[in-house]
Amino acid sequence: QVQLQQWGAGLLKPSETLSLTCSVSGESFSDYYWSWIRQPPGKGLEWIGDISHGGRGYFNPSLRSRVTISVDTSKNQLSLKLRSVTAADTAVYFCARLFRLGVITQFDSWGPGILVTVS
Amino acid sequence: DIQMTQSPSSLSASVGDRVTITCRASQSISRYLNWYQQKPGKAPQFLIHAASNLQSGVPPRFSVSGSGTDFTLTISSLQIEDFATYYCQQSYTTPRTFGQGTKLEIK
Repeated sequence: QVQLQQWGAGLLKPSETLSLTCSVSGESFSDYYWSWIRQPPGKGLEWIGDISHGGRGYFNPSLRSRVTISVDTSKNQLSLKLRSVTAADTAVYFCARLFRLGVITQFDSWGPGILVTVS
Repeated sequence: DIQMTQSPSSLSASVGDRVTITCRASQSISRYLNWYQQKPGKAPQFLIHAASNLQSGVPPRFSVSGSGTDFTLTISSLQIEDFATYYCQQSYTTPRTFGQGTKLEIK
């Protein structure tokens, strides 16, 4: 059973860089893609991007210019950096496993989420 | 980007009711659609894919139908634990996009 744990700073000032880490245990990190998804308070879900264990990434064009997603396979961790944050980036940030079966994909395991407030 | 629109945005129902949530895509996504359930303060949980098969552990009262642009999630007999917010998500292409959610509340 895969488990995802998240940590990072929960309060930022405008223009700072959001930095979160997600640690994966219980499953082979290298067999999957891993993703970041966010949810503003009281609102819906927004996909940020995916990354493979080899570092191949896919990003939401709306955030691409400010986002870096990286992996550390030696630690089974993925990281998210979002530069130049504003109040609009206030959200709960989730990491998730992207299960892929042929062309079928789904976020089948999620971290607990971490609230990041920009104020 | 493919826009996903759910209806209704909220729904009040009673235990034992049959409910249907609709998800519409702004263009055809074949059957590349996922449904998630989210309870307050928790992460979403993957529920079901439109092309299949229930996720292991998901009760058979949940079913899906649809293809192309129109999809439905049906809960045949609501149980207390089903009161939550449901999201659809297209997995046809990136950017991966979600519906705005349907909040299912107890009447």
